Amino acid sequence: AQSVTQLDSQVPVFEEAPVELRCNYSSSVSVYLFWYVQYPNQGLQLLLKYLSGSTLVESINGFEAEFNKSQTSFHLRKPSVHISDTAEYFCAVIPGGYNKLIFGAGTRLAVHP
Amino acid sequence: GAGVSQSPSNKVTEKGKDVELRCDPISGHTALYWYRQRLGQGLEFLIYFQGNSAPDKSGLPSDRFSAERTGESVSTLTIQRTQQEDSAVYLCASSLKAAATGELFFGEGSRLTVL
Repeated sequence: AQSVTQLDSQVPVFEEAPVELRCNYSSSVSVYLFWYVQYPNQGLQLLLKYLSGSTLVESINGFEAEFNKSQTSFHLRKPSVHISDTAEYFCAVIPGGYNKLIFGAGTRLAVHP
Repeated sequence: GAGVSQSPSNKVTEKGKDVELRCDPISGHTALYWYRQRLGQGLEFLIYFQGNSAPDKSGLPSDRFSAERTGESVSTLTIQRTQQEDSAVYLCASSLKAAATGELFFGEGSRLTVL
């Protein structure tokens, strides 16, 4: 069965420090990959996605993620975080031939001043 | 409305009672999804609608759970004879087509507490 593993349930970090949120997936077929973000008291929203092409994808607010097929990973990174990045981040996959997102358990990013 | 709307936003009920949760997707979105998020856990897929039919209901945890969609619009998730383990946030999402390459738009969820 397909699954998504987010290795860190919580990541505390100081403002302006770099951060990496890790995501690994298990699938024997091609996948589409996503990161969703849930800010406090808000619904989930798409942060970025990989469908095909360049393995490095970027969001408008400075996050990036790289699809690594050999390591079945899709880690999310930001070189310098802001207080406003405090949120829960969910990695998700759509295995080929499926029409539903399979989510990881989420990583709570807490940015401290 | 502009986004996915869910009601009620909060529901407290007693064990054994039935509850109905409603989702109004974005107009024109043919695909609709229900997920469950238990405290401290990730999103658990429940059911997917394409139009009014549900080609994938593999995530419904028991026969106490059912869902329907009418008019390719509103969907209702019904939980019969609620149990304490049903306590969770129930999230609805819609997309223009099936999720394969598109973006899911989520509502803010219905928080269910079963006493």
